[in-house]
Amino acid sequence: GAVVSQHPSWVICKSGTSVKIECRSLDFQATTMFWYRQFPKQSLMLMATSNEGSKATYEQGVEKDKFLINHASLTLSTLTVTSAHPEDSSFYICSARATGTSGSSHGNQETQYFGPGTRLLVL
Amino acid sequence: GQNIDQPTEMTATEGAIVQINCTYQTSGFNGLFWYQQHAGEAPTFLSYNVLDGLEEKGRFSSFLSRSKGYSYLLLKELQMKDSASYLCAPMDSNYQLIWGAGTKLIIKP
Repeated sequence: GAVVSQHPSWVICKSGTSVKIECRSLDFQATTMFWYRQFPKQSLMLMATSNEGSKATYEQGVEKDKFLINHASLTLSTLTVTSAHPEDSSFYICSARATGTSGSSHGNQETQYFGPGTRLLVL
Repeated sequence: GQNIDQPTEMTATEGAIVQINCTYQTSGFNGLFWYQQHAGEAPTFLSYNVLDGLEEKGRFSSFLSRSKGYSYLLLKELQMKDSASYLCAPMDSNYQLIWGAGTKLIIKP
C-alpha cells in the first residue's frame, strides 16, 4: 500500500514552454500533497503544500504564478512549470500524506509517501 | 531556527552494522522520520518515531531521545543495496518535515 505515482518521469523542453507534472496516490486518499525540488547533492526543498479543494501554500521564494499547483481530487495533484527556463531544470518530487487508516501499517497518518520524481531539463 | 545535523558521509563493510546519528532542533516536535534515498531516486519511508526508545523493523532500527534532540538509524547485516543517502526528518509543530542533506552511506565488499 501507500503507492504514489508521478508522470512523466522525465521531460526535456524548450525554454519558454510550460510543463505539467502529475502526482497520483494510487491506493489511498491524500488530503495533502507536497511538491519538492532537489538539485544534485542537495537536500529536498519544499516548494508548496497542496490541500485538496483549496489553494496551495507556497514556501518563501517560490513564485506561485510560475509554479501552478492544482489539487482537484483526493488522489491527484498537478504542478505546472510555466515559461520554463534552464534554471528550472531540476528533480521535482511529489509526496502524499495518507489520511484515515491507509498507510498506518507503515508509519502514521503524517507519513509522507513519495512519488518516483520527474527530471526536468529545460534547454 | 530549525536545523538538522548528520554526518555527510559514512563508509561500512558488507555484513557489518552501522549507526547513523542525527541531532535536530525544531520549533515544536511531532515525531521524526527516516527515509532512504538512492542516487537519482525519490526518498522511500523507513521509520517513524514519536516516543522515546527503539523501534525495530527487520534489519533497520531507529532510536529517539526527545529530551536530547537525538535520533539514530541502525542498519544491521549490511548489504550492497543499502548504499544510499539516509535522511533524518523531524516534524515541527506545523507538521512540516524539516530536511537536511542526509548521510551518504557507502558499503564496501
